[in-house]
Amino acid sequence: SQQGEEDPQALSIQEGENATMNCSYKTSINNLQWYRQNSGRGLVHLILIRSNEREKHSGRLRVTLDTSKKSSSLLITASRAADTASYFCATRRGGGSNYKLTFGKGTLLTVNP
Amino acid sequence: SAVISQKPSRDICQRGTSLTIQCQVDSQVTMMFWYRQQPGQSLTLIATANQGSEATYESGFVIDKFPISRPNLTFSTLTVSNMSPEDSSIYLCSVSTGGSYNEQFFGPGTRLTVL
Repeated sequence: SQQGEEDPQALSIQEGENATMNCSYKTSINNLQWYRQNSGRGLVHLILIRSNEREKHSGRLRVTLDTSKKSSSLLITASRAADTASYFCATRRGGGSNYKLTFGKGTLLTVNP
Repeated sequence: SAVISQKPSRDICQRGTSLTIQCQVDSQVTMMFWYRQQPGQSLTLIATANQGSEATYESGFVIDKFPISRPNLTFSTLTVSNMSPEDSSIYLCSVSTGGSYNEQFFGPGTRLTVL
């Protein structure tokens, strides 16, 4: 079964607005990673947040992690038309050599100029 | 981050044929993976490509259908055998330098259409 579930499934905003996407998961994790995918192309790695971290920033991106609620959020500030893409969260469970990443269903973000 | 290339970038194939997808990384990596993304869906792990040994397949995927090679630490191939239209997907190579806290990176994908 899918480990991560993003919401909303689709989000449409105007350029300059902020976009917030959420991800929930079911089991304990080692880390959580966010990716962007443009028009069915390869995935671009955005940010990794470890289970012992609560917040990370990278440019216009802000990711939070709440392990007690098993949830994460991705905030994109001052959005641009070029941010239009699908965004996926992926979780890696802890322990030993378990490197498997499990993906959520994704959020389709549309930024209107 | 690792730079990953895949060949071909896209292909249209006939039912019953096979296609081999190549994945090349610009540096040695510990872990290599193959994922499938069906139209409008999320990513599903097919298998972990192990250097010098047989790949480790996920539930629902078998070696006869998706044979994988990994002759060294920078290269892997995935073959989609005896294709049917249900195999139409994007196939993505992914790598990690190992360590459970490390980032995992993806190639540009191979878009396969089976007629």
